[in-house]
Amino acid sequence: NAGVTQTPKFQVLKTGQSMTLQCAQDMNHNSMYWYRQDPGMGLRLIYYSASEGTTDKGEVPNGYNVSRLNKREFSLRLESAAPSQTSVYFCASSWDRGHNQPQHFGDGTRLSIL
Amino acid sequence: AQSVTQLGSHVSVSEGALVLLRCNYSSSVPPYLFWYVQYPNQGLQLLLKYTTGATLVKGINGFEAEFKKSETSFHLTKPSAHMSDAAEYFCAVSEGRTGFQKLVFGTGTRLLVSP
Repeated sequence: NAGVTQTPKFQVLKTGQSMTLQCAQDMNHNSMYWYRQDPGMGLRLIYYSASEGTTDKGEVPNGYNVSRLNKREFSLRLESAAPSQTSVYFCASSWDRGHNQPQHFGDGTRLSIL
Repeated sequence: AQSVTQLGSHVSVSEGALVLLRCNYSSSVPPYLFWYVQYPNQGLQLLLKYTTGATLVKGINGFEAEFKKSETSFHLTKPSAHMSDAAEYFCAVSEGRTGFQKLVFGTGTRLLVSP
Protein backbone atom coordinates (compact mmCIF):
# COMPACT_ATOMS: atom_id res chain seq x y z
CA ASN A 1 0.00 0.00 0.00
CA ALA A 2 2.98 2.34 -0.41
CA GLY A 3 1.71 4.50 -3.32
CA VAL A 4 4.13 7.42 -3.71
CA THR A 5 7.17 7.39 -1.43
CA GLN A 6 9.37 10.44 -0.89
CA THR A 7 12.74 10.58 0.82
CA PRO A 8 13.89 12.25 2.93
CA LYS A 9 10.94 13.55 4.96
CA PHE A 10 12.92 16.45 6.45
CA GLN A 11 16.15 18.14 5.48
CA VAL A 12 18.08 21.24 6.52
CA LEU A 13 20.67 22.64 4.14
CA LYS A 14 23.02 25.57 4.09
CA THR A 15 22.90 28.07 1.25
CA GLY A 16 24.90 26.79 -1.69
CA GLN A 17 24.67 23.11 -0.80
CA SER A 18 23.19 20.64 -3.22
CA MET A 19 20.83 17.74 -2.67
CA THR A 20 18.50 15.37 -4.45
CA LEU A 21 14.94 14.61 -3.39
CA GLN A 22 13.87 11.09 -4.25
CA CYS A 23 10.43 9.92 -5.33
CA ALA A 24 9.21 6.45 -6.23
CA GLN A 25 5.75 5.11 -7.07
CA ASP A 26 4.59 1.51 -7.13
CA MET A 27 1.30 2.00 -9.03
CA ASN A 28 2.75 1.53 -12.52
CA HIS A 29 1.84 5.13 -13.35
CA ASN A 30 3.22 6.72 -16.47
CA SER A 31 3.23 10.39 -15.44
CA MET A 32 5.01 11.99 -12.51
CA TYR A 33 5.22 15.51 -11.09
CA TRP A 34 7.12 17.68 -8.64
CA TYR A 35 5.38 20.53 -6.79
CA ARG A 36 6.35 22.97 -4.12
CA GLN A 37 3.89 24.21 -1.49
CA ASP A 38 4.34 27.58 0.14
CA PRO A 39 1.99 29.25 2.65
CA GLY A 40 -0.88 31.06 0.94
CA MET A 41 0.22 29.99 -2.54
CA GLY A 42 -1.18 26.52 -2.98
CA LEU A 43 0.87 24.05 -5.00
CA ARG A 44 3.01 25.15 -7.91
CA LEU A 45 4.35 22.77 -10.52
CA ILE A 46 8.14 22.66 -10.79
CA TYR A 47 8.71 19.89 -13.38
CA TYR A 48 6.77 16.98 -14.77
CA SER A 49 7.40 13.83 -16.69
CA ALA A 50 4.63 12.73 -19.02
CA SER A 51 6.22 9.34 -19.54
CA GLU A 52 9.47 7.52 -18.98
CA GLY A 53 12.26 9.29 -20.81
CA THR A 54 10.63 12.72 -21.00
CA THR A 55 10.69 15.73 -18.69
CA ASP A 56 9.32 19.25 -19.04
CA LYS A 57 9.35 22.50 -17.12
CA GLY A 58 6.38 23.58 -15.08
CA GLU A 59 5.52 26.95 -13.60
CA VAL A 60 8.59 27.45 -11.36
CA PRO A 61 11.56 25.42 -12.72
CA ASN A 62 14.41 27.86 -12.03
CA GLY A 63 17.03 26.44 -9.66
CA TYR A 64 15.91 22.84 -10.11
CA ASN A 65 16.71 19.87 -12.29
CA VAL A 66 14.96 16.53 -12.59
CA SER A 67 15.69 13.01 -13.72
CA ARG A 68 13.17 10.35 -14.67
CA LEU A 69 15.39 7.42 -13.79
CA ASN A 70 12.89 4.76 -14.85
CA LYS A 71 9.15 4.35 -14.82
CA ARG A 72 9.02 4.22 -11.02
CA GLU A 73 11.44 6.95 -10.00
CA PHE A 74 11.53 10.72 -10.52
CA SER A 75 14.13 12.76 -8.65
CA LEU A 76 14.43 16.51 -8.06
CA ARG A 77 17.84 18.13 -7.64
CA LEU A 78 18.79 21.46 -6.15
CA GLU A 79 22.23 22.27 -7.46
CA SER A 80 22.94 25.31 -5.26
CA ALA A 81 20.29 25.75 -2.61
CA ALA A 82 18.94 29.22 -1.84
CA PRO A 83 16.76 30.37 1.08
CA SER A 84 13.92 31.04 -1.40
CA GLN A 85 13.77 27.30 -1.98
CA THR A 86 12.69 26.65 1.59
CA SER A 87 9.39 24.89 1.06
CA VAL A 88 7.50 21.63 1.26
CA TYR A 89 8.06 19.54 -1.86
CA PHE A 90 5.51 17.03 -3.10
CA CYS A 91 5.89 14.34 -5.69
CA ALA A 92 2.79 13.03 -7.45
CA SER A 93 1.93 10.49 -10.10
CA SER A 94 -1.00 9.71 -12.37
CA TRP A 95 -1.93 6.84 -14.66
CA ASP A 96 -1.40 8.82 -17.81
CA ARG A 97 -1.57 12.28 -19.24
CA GLY A 98 -5.34 12.31 -19.43
CA HIS A 99 -7.02 15.40 -18.08
CA ASN A 100 -9.49 13.42 -16.00
CA GLN A 101 -6.83 11.36 -14.24
CA PRO A 102 -6.39 12.12 -10.55
CA GLN A 103 -2.92 12.61 -9.20
CA HIS A 104 -1.65 10.62 -6.22
CA PHE A 105 0.64 12.46 -3.82
CA GLY A 106 3.46 11.49 -1.50
CA ASP A 107 3.68 12.82 2.05
CA GLY A 108 6.19 15.52 1.15
CA THR A 109 9.74 16.58 1.95
CA ARG A 110 10.09 19.54 4.29
CA LEU A 111 13.19 21.43 3.22
CA SER A 112 14.75 24.34 5.10
CA ILE A 113 17.66 26.30 3.68
CA LEU A 114 19.61 28.49 6.04
CA ALA B 1 -4.56 30.48 -18.68
CA GLN B 2 -6.87 28.79 -16.27
CA SER B 3 -7.07 29.87 -12.65
CA VAL B 4 -8.80 28.93 -9.43
CA THR B 5 -10.03 31.18 -6.64
CA GLN B 6 -10.91 29.83 -3.22
CA LEU B 7 -12.82 32.34 -1.12
CA GLY B 8 -11.64 32.38 2.48
CA SER B 9 -8.29 31.06 3.63
CA HIS B 10 -9.96 29.83 6.84
CA VAL B 11 -13.48 28.57 7.50
CA SER B 12 -14.69 27.74 11.01
CA VAL B 13 -17.72 25.58 11.75
CA SER B 14 -19.14 23.76 14.73
CA GLU B 15 -19.35 19.98 14.78
CA GLY B 16 -22.61 18.98 13.12
CA ALA B 17 -22.93 22.19 11.10
CA LEU B 18 -22.98 22.51 7.34
CA VAL B 19 -19.62 22.79 5.62
CA LEU B 20 -19.39 25.04 2.54
CA LEU B 21 -16.04 25.69 0.88
CA ARG B 22 -16.13 27.94 -2.17
CA CYS B 23 -14.26 27.49 -5.41
CA ASN B 24 -14.53 29.55 -8.59
CA TYR B 25 -12.54 28.90 -11.72
CA SER B 26 -11.79 30.56 -15.00
CA SER B 27 -11.37 28.52 -18.12
CA SER B 28 -11.78 29.06 -21.83
CA VAL B 29 -12.69 25.42 -22.35
CA PRO B 30 -14.89 23.05 -20.37
CA PRO B 31 -12.87 22.25 -17.27
CA TYR B 32 -12.08 19.16 -15.33
CA LEU B 33 -12.33 20.05 -11.62
CA PHE B 34 -10.97 18.40 -8.51
CA TRP B 35 -11.12 18.78 -4.75
CA TYR B 36 -8.21 17.50 -2.68
CA VAL B 37 -7.83 17.32 1.12
CA GLN B 38 -4.58 17.62 3.02
CA TYR B 39 -4.28 16.47 6.64
CA PRO B 40 -1.38 17.76 8.75
CA ASN B 41 2.02 16.51 7.63
CA GLN B 42 0.52 14.48 4.80
CA GLY B 43 0.19 14.75 1.06
CA LEU B 44 -2.98 15.60 -0.82
CA GLN B 45 -5.74 13.04 -1.20
CA LEU B 46 -8.43 13.17 -3.85
CA LEU B 47 -11.89 13.91 -2.43
CA LEU B 48 -13.84 14.04 -5.68
CA LYS B 49 -13.64 15.09 -9.30
CA TYR B 50 -15.88 16.40 -12.05
CA THR B 51 -15.11 15.43 -15.62
CA THR B 52 -18.32 15.15 -17.63
CA GLY B 53 -21.90 14.09 -17.04
CA ALA B 54 -23.73 14.60 -13.77
CA THR B 55 -22.98 18.00 -12.29
CA LEU B 56 -23.46 16.88 -8.68
CA VAL B 57 -20.46 14.81 -7.72
CA LYS B 58 -20.20 12.70 -4.59
CA GLY B 59 -16.87 12.00 -2.98
CA ILE B 60 -15.40 10.31 0.02
CA ASN B 61 -16.23 11.07 3.67
CA GLY B 62 -19.69 12.45 2.83
CA PHE B 63 -18.49 15.39 0.75
CA GLU B 64 -20.07 16.48 -2.49
CA ALA B 65 -19.64 19.31 -4.99
CA GLU B 66 -21.78 20.77 -7.72
CA PHE B 67 -20.45 22.04 -11.02
CA LYS B 68 -22.31 25.20 -12.06
CA LYS B 69 -21.15 26.35 -15.45
CA SER B 70 -23.18 29.57 -15.40
CA GLU B 71 -21.51 30.61 -12.14
CA THR B 72 -18.10 29.07 -12.96
CA SER B 73 -18.21 27.48 -9.54
CA PHE B 74 -17.47 24.12 -7.96
CA HIS B 75 -18.29 24.55 -4.27
CA LEU B 76 -17.64 21.74 -1.80
CA THR B 77 -20.28 20.86 0.80
CA LYS B 78 -20.92 18.42 3.61
CA PRO B 79 -24.21 18.42 5.53
CA SER B 80 -22.72 17.75 8.95
CA ALA B 81 -19.14 18.49 9.95
CA HIS B 82 -17.12 16.04 11.98
CA MET B 83 -14.01 16.80 14.01
CA SER B 84 -12.01 14.58 11.66
CA ASP B 85 -12.85 16.92 8.75
CA ALA B 86 -10.42 19.53 10.08
CA ALA B 87 -7.84 19.85 7.31
CA GLU B 88 -6.85 22.02 4.38
CA TYR B 89 -8.85 21.73 1.19
CA PHE B 90 -7.64 22.54 -2.30
CA CYS B 91 -9.66 23.08 -5.44
CA ALA B 92 -7.88 22.42 -8.74
CA VAL B 93 -8.66 22.73 -12.43
CA SER B 94 -7.11 20.74 -15.21
CA GLU B 95 -5.38 23.02 -17.65
CA GLY B 96 -5.97 22.49 -21.28
CA ARG B 97 -7.83 20.00 -23.37
CA THR B 98 -4.91 18.84 -25.46
CA GLY B 99 -1.45 17.76 -24.54
CA PHE B 100 -0.43 17.06 -21.04
CA GLN B 101 -2.59 17.37 -17.95
CA LYS B 102 -1.40 20.10 -15.66
CA LEU B 103 -3.33 20.92 -12.54
CA VAL B 104 -3.74 24.52 -11.41
CA PHE B 105 -4.43 24.70 -7.70
CA GLY B 106 -6.20 27.26 -5.60
CA THR B 107 -4.47 28.65 -2.54
CA GLY B 108 -6.38 26.39 -0.17
CA THR B 109 -8.97 26.76 2.59
CA ARG B 110 -8.26 25.55 6.10
CA LEU B 111 -11.35 24.08 7.74
CA LEU B 112 -11.51 24.38 11.52
CA VAL B 113 -14.12 22.31 13.37
CA SER B 114 -14.99 23.15 16.97
CA PRO B 115 -16.83 20.87 19.41
